[in-house]
Formats: sequence, C-alpha cells, structure tokens
Amino acid sequence: NAGVMQNPRHLVRRRGQEARLRCSPMKGHSHVYWYRQLPEEGLKFMVYLQKENIIDESGMPKERFSAEFPKEGPSILRIQQVVRGDSAAYFCASSPVRPVVANYGYTFGSGTRLTVV
Amino acid sequence: LAKTTQPISMDSYEGQEVNITCSHNNIATNDYITWYQQFPSQGPRFIIQGYKTKVTNEVASLFIPADRKSSTLSLPRVSLSDTAVYYCLVGDNNAGNNRKLIWGLGTSLAVNP
Repeated sequence: NAGVMQNPRHLVRRRGQEARLRCSPMKGHSHVYWYRQLPEEGLKFMVYLQKENIIDESGMPKERFSAEFPKEGPSILRIQQVVRGDSAAYFCASSPVRPVVANYGYTFGSGTRLTVV
Repeated sequence: LAKTTQPISMDSYEGQEVNITCSHNNIATNDYITWYQQFPSQGPRFIIQGYKTKVTNEVASLFIPADRKSSTLSLPRVSLSDTAVYYCLVGDNNAGNNRKLIWGLGTSLAVNP
C-alpha cells in the first residue's frame, strides 16, 4: 500500500516559467490537501480538494496559483509565472472518505522542493 | 482557532526520556490534540492523537491533564534517529476540518550521542 506520492521531489524553474507539482493520494483516499513550507517555518494550508471539486482554497494566493484533482489521475498544483518568493517545499496530504474518530491523522507525501532561479 | 505554544528547541542524549509540552489555552470542546514528527526533507508523520488523560502507542505517550489546556508528548529512550521537529496541533477531528489546523514552528529536538 503505497503512501502519498509526490513528484518531482526537486524542481528548478527560472523566473516566469510554470511549475507543475503532482500528488497521488493513498489508495482509498479522496481528500487532498496542499501545504507550503518556507524555510524555518511551519506548514501553511493552501487548498483542500475532493475528487473534481475544490472545497476550500482560502490559503491559495489570488493570482498565478491553481489546483485540480481530476476524476482520473493525480492532483496538480500549478504555479504560473514563478517568482523567487515561490521557492519553498510543497507538501500534499490525503485523508480517507470517512473520518475516523480515534487515531486519525493525515498522511503526508515527501514533498516537492521548488527552487526558482 | 486554538493556538499552540511549544518550546522552539530541546536537546537530549541517547537513552533519555524526552517530554515536550504544548500549551493550548483556548482549546475547544470538540478539539483533539495531535502530534506530528518531521525529519529534514520529508513530510510530517503522524505520531499520536488524544482527547484526554493518557494515550500510548508503540512510539510515544501523550499526557493530557483534566483541563486540557496543555499536553505533553513523551518519547521514551530516544535515539539519534528521533532528531526531528515535533509539531503539536489542536483541532476538530473531522476530515476536511484538518485544513483549519494551524501549524506553528514546532519543537526542534536534537538527540546527541
């Protein structure tokens, strides 16, 4: 049972290019969450998706950032026209359809480290 | 939203017991307390979760006093591989509501030989 898979692990982009980050949730998980972590900081929520639906994007920057979770395939976080300030680790987490009362937690992927040069 | 406060860093030695305390004065009735561990260049990993009193699993114990305004993560006999950042989070234990969890800076634990 593979965990949450994120790729690529490392991504280098020049300013103005597009970055596409992929996340495949755990088998049986239909909730996906994206977080951003700047160096020496805690994780910051960006967006929460269920299959084909964006449930909460309150943490997403208003411009250049978008996310999708299609019926088939991984969830994609897209950053258009990247700037140096976008350099960070982007983590994806997934959770099952039904919440479990006890011993419940997200499962996180290993992240994608984006470097904008 | 409950805010948590933890020490920024802690030092320990192999074989010692480590206790990390987290304050959450504004915890709500429906909130659970969850601890995560994060190694460098990896995503956070769930360690333990509790609502009140004591919870123990194969990795750690979690002590929660009756007023639930704080909690203590206890790591028995730490090893070098326990060097990591430990996050305390407080929130409603429902799928989807986890997005409301606020991640602080965590406690950076260094285990020395």
